[in-house]
Amino acid sequence: AQSVTQPDIHITVSEGASLELRCNYSYGATPYLFWYVQSPGQGLQLLLKYFSGDTLVQGIKGFEAEFKRSQSSFNLRKPSVHWSDAAEYFCAVGAPDSSYKLIFGSGTRLLVRP
Amino acid sequence: EPEVTQTPSHQVTQMGQEVILRCVPISNHLYFYWYRQILGQKVEFLVSFYNNEISEKSEIFDDQFSVERPDGSNFTLKIRSTKLEDSAMYFCASSDRRLAEAFFGQGTRLTVV
Repeated sequence: AQSVTQPDIHITVSEGASLELRCNYSYGATPYLFWYVQSPGQGLQLLLKYFSGDTLVQGIKGFEAEFKRSQSSFNLRKPSVHWSDAAEYFCAVGAPDSSYKLIFGSGTRLLVRP
Repeated sequence: EPEVTQTPSHQVTQMGQEVILRCVPISNHLYFYWYRQILGQKVEFLVSFYNNEISEKSEIFDDQFSVERPDGSNFTLKIRSTKLEDSAMYFCASSDRRLAEAFFGQGTRLTVV
């Protein structure tokens, strides 16, 4: 069965600093991978997704993520964080050959220092 | 931009009562989902629905839960006899293909007292 680990519960960065949020997955083949963002009291918004092809994917709001098969990782990055990026970020994995569901990680809460 | 709409945004119900959570998925989507998020916890899959039937459900989705697409636009989640532990944010989502980008609604916060 697939699983997702987000090892950092909280991360605090200064505005303008770079950001990397970690995500590791467990799945026997190449999964579908997603990053979602949830602002307080809001729903989930898709930042980016990886299905196949180029392992570096670009998303909305200046985010990107890199799929590394050898490390079973799909880390989210942003070169310069804005105060409005403060939110909770969820990595999710789907099993394209066997399932309809997404398995979510436990989330990383991003705090941005002025 | 098309969006998934959920109503109500917040519902308070007494333990043992039935609740129906409503969702209007994006109009050309074919796959529909319910997820829930207990406060402070991860988002959990409940059920997926395709071609007018359940395609997959989780262990959480027991006999107290049911889903329905009563017409061409609505997608509902019914909890027959609510328990305190059903208190959570419930998210509806839809996609045009299996495991394609799922668009989530804003959620319904269910509080069981």
